[in-house]
Amino acid sequence: EDQVTQSPEALRLQEGESSSLNCSYTVSGLRGLFWYRQDPGKGPEFLFTLYSAGEEKEKERLKATLTKKESFLHITAPKPEDSATYLCAVPYSSASKIIFGSGTRLSIRP
Amino acid sequence: NAGVTQTPKFQVLKTGQSMTLQCAQDMNHNSMYWYRQDPGMGLRLIYYSASEGTTDKGEVPNGYNVSRLNKREFSLRLESAAPSQTSVYFCASSDLPLGVLEQYFGPGTRLTVT
Repeated sequence: EDQVTQSPEALRLQEGESSSLNCSYTVSGLRGLFWYRQDPGKGPEFLFTLYSAGEEKEKERLKATLTKKESFLHITAPKPEDSATYLCAVPYSSASKIIFGSGTRLSIRP
Repeated sequence: NAGVTQTPKFQVLKTGQSMTLQCAQDMNHNSMYWYRQDPGMGLRLIYYSASEGTTDKGEVPNGYNVSRLNKREFSLRLESAAPSQTSVYFCASSDLPLGVLEQYFGPGTRLTVT
């Protein structure tokens, strides 16, 4: 069964404490993996697209990486404004199927 | 440039009532989508429109209908609302069809069915 699983469900860090979020997937034909950020009461905001294993993308304190089975979102020296829910999404070979993970709620304490 | 807009922002319905959620985008995107988001379940695709004049079912289409009115607008209709349809609904758009490029999301409609 096609699945996208994110871990942990919630993560609380101190400001400046680096960590990683995980998105693992099972797929029959990966066409890409997307990372989004969602603030409370708002719609998801696009962060990165990764298309092949070994690819990396960076934006400010965030770096996304991709392997054949999972993706990591690394957060370096986070600030309170990085607090949000981070979602990953994987489109499958079926044209009508795109699966979002349930997200990781990240909280950064000052 | 407003991006993706949705109306209304909040709505309370009684079981059996009908309503239409409106969505518009000003990015000249070809593809548009409707999702619902429930706690602990992530975003689930209800319907999508790969291009003007076409619509297709997503993962959870039962109880919903859609209309791609023109390239800018994509509406979602609940004909007879049920409590199970209480959710937050997001509209999104992208330049190319599902999964090829990133999607841009609206602010959401919070729907409660009593």
